[in-house]
Amino acid sequence: DAEITQSPRHKITETGRQVTLACHQTWNHNNMFWYRQDLGHGLRLIHYSYGVQDTNKGEVSDGYSVSRSNTEDLPLTLESAASSQTSVYFCASSETSGRNEQYFGPGTRLTVT
Amino acid sequence: EDKVVQSPLSLVVHEGDTVTLNCSYEVTNFRSLLWYKQEKKAPTFLFMLTSSGIEKKSGRLSSILDKKELFSILNITATQTGDSAVYLCLSNAGGTSYGKLTFGQGTILTVHP
Repeated sequence: DAEITQSPRHKITETGRQVTLACHQTWNHNNMFWYRQDLGHGLRLIHYSYGVQDTNKGEVSDGYSVSRSNTEDLPLTLESAASSQTSVYFCASSETSGRNEQYFGPGTRLTVT
Repeated sequence: EDKVVQSPLSLVVHEGDTVTLNCSYEVTNFRSLLWYKQEKKAPTFLFMLTSSGIEKKSGRLSSILDKKELFSILNITATQTGDSAVYLCLSNAGGTSYGKLTFGQGTILTVHP
């Protein structure tokens, strides 16, 4: 069955380290998204991509980067982790049209100490 | 700035009650509004609404959109403890080929036996 997976599911890292969170989907969806979810803020869009080699900044993109070298994967990199980036990160994907529903991965809980 | 506001922020009911969750939006170039249910994991899709006045229904859940008054409601009848979750609404708007995504802060629904 098609699915969307994230790894790792939990990560603890130190301030200043580079961290990469993986997202892999097997639906062959063109659109992929990264969100962070924090108490009091809900889900906020970090970056999104609607095809290979395409990436776009979302609402809270500072300190994060993504790259899209194939359809299945959109890794999220924290260049120099900060305590403010402690959060739960969700990856999602959707079909070509932006009007369609998104399917979410299980989430990655990141703690920056 | 696009804004999506949900109310109430939290709600406690007993099994069998009917609840109405609200989502109002102020966005530029509205395209669609989506409802998600989030339990202790990733959000799962419930409904997508694009047209005013057309009710979407799935079992005990239903939702409708009012594009004139800029809001949507999610109704749950005969609530069950399994309905306890955070309910999120998402606005898809904007003039680009993809659109801009804005989540509301969520409504925490607790259903007691």
